[in-house]
Amino acid sequence: DAGITQSPRHKVTETGTPVTLRCHQTENHRYMYWYRQDPGHGLRLIHYSYGVKDTDKGEVSDGYSVSRSKTEDFLLTLESATSSQTSVYFCAISAFRDNNEQFFGPGTRLTVL
Amino acid sequence: AQKVTQAQTEISVVEKEDVTLDCVYETRDTTYYLFWYKQPPSGELVFLIRRNSFDEQNEISGRYSWNFQKSTSSFNFTITASQVVDSAVYFCALMPTAGNKLTFGGGTRVLVKP
Repeated sequence: DAGITQSPRHKVTETGTPVTLRCHQTENHRYMYWYRQDPGHGLRLIHYSYGVKDTDKGEVSDGYSVSRSKTEDFLLTLESATSSQTSVYFCAISAFRDNNEQFFGPGTRLTVL
Repeated sequence: AQKVTQAQTEISVVEKEDVTLDCVYETRDTTYYLFWYKQPPSGELVFLIRRNSFDEQNEISGRYSWNFQKSTSSFNFTITASQVVDSAVYFCALMPTAGNKLTFGGGTRVLVKP
């Protein structure tokens, strides 16, 4: 199994509060991704990183920011959480950009009340 | 724009029955990769297969088989002689050859009853 951990695994927060989710990998892979999973939508890409301090937006990036100060850590921040951001968040990693399968972390279940 | 459609939201079968999951995709890219992932009740996502659009040969891995038909833009997945442990949500996904953005279908929940 790919060495990917996410923290916290579960979080309940209130609307308007900031939230930061952490993804940590031990594989030294260059590429890291944040997805959200919602019923009927599968997984949708929020942001991804192609190296330290190099990030780009995905399909559903509004309301989210990311940072990557070390190869092994990729942080996802909700500056002011809203109920529409209640979801399961998955981190993924891949060794290469092209033609490469992504391996997923265990997920973080976030509830915004 | 890319799109992946899994029209079956839920399938229920009795153990030992075969089950086929449909996946239809849309893309303007001439080359691409197709994937299947499994999400068991424990919630993690497990990679099952990656298929290059150049390769239309069917693939078999144990009780799993995949049928790729470029002419109909479909990449269907069959579980033969299903088992209770096959109960999970299965996702089909698409990635352009040049690039790393996965587009997922909505998933199909498979329930295998003993």
